[in-house]
Amino acid sequence: ILNVEQSPQSLHVQEGDSTNFTCSFPSSNFYALHWYRWETAKSPEALFVMTLNGDEKKKGRISATLNTKEGYSYLYIKGSQPEDSATYLCASDSGGYQKVTFGIGTKLQVIP
Amino acid sequence: DSGVTQTPKHLITATGQRVTLRCSPRSGDLSVYWYQQSLDQGLQFLIQYYNGEERAKGNILERFSAQQFPDLHSELNLSSLELGDSALYFCASSPGTVENSPLHFGNGTRLTVT
Repeated sequence: ILNVEQSPQSLHVQEGDSTNFTCSFPSSNFYALHWYRWETAKSPEALFVMTLNGDEKKKGRISATLNTKEGYSYLYIKGSQPEDSATYLCASDSGGYQKVTFGIGTKLQVIP
Repeated sequence: DSGVTQTPKHLITATGQRVTLRCSPRSGDLSVYWYQQSLDQGLQFLIQYYNGEERAKGNILERFSAQQFPDLHSELNLSSLELGDSALYFCASSPGTVENSPLHFGNGTRLTVT
């Protein structure tokens, strides 16, 4: 993996469903993995910054895991709500001079 | 409110012109990042400054330049503008001295080149 890749690019789920998406990043020169939530007409807001292999972080119904050896992170949303509709971005921080590289995002639409 | 201020919010200009986008970071943040988001593209990293010095450079065109001033605000200068430069330009800031801190984004400047 040379770049940060996210899948799927878009996702529609019913209200109440749980869902997850994937971020793949270069495992060499890894320093930190960021997740952001980006609502339409707003600016991206940070959810998590993760650094350690096996790390898990949680904020309400949203959680994330990190595997630095194989270069992937999962974001989980439990019991999706319409207000969770947004684009979820992950970003790889290669450390040193902190060049933070973003994936294209996963656009989530929660249908009431 | 992230604390990062970008001006102007919107900018419409003609091809061949030059514009300056301005960013004031969150109070206390020393690092400023510039990103470009074109239609259907992700956030493309342009350049990062830390305490007045350039720290990292992405795929920034030679027609684009940036600087960070002693008061830590930053300006992104775009010259000889082309239609393809139309995009949303984001500035973000971080402490730069605290490891693993997230980026805090401004609301962006939407540039339209006609």
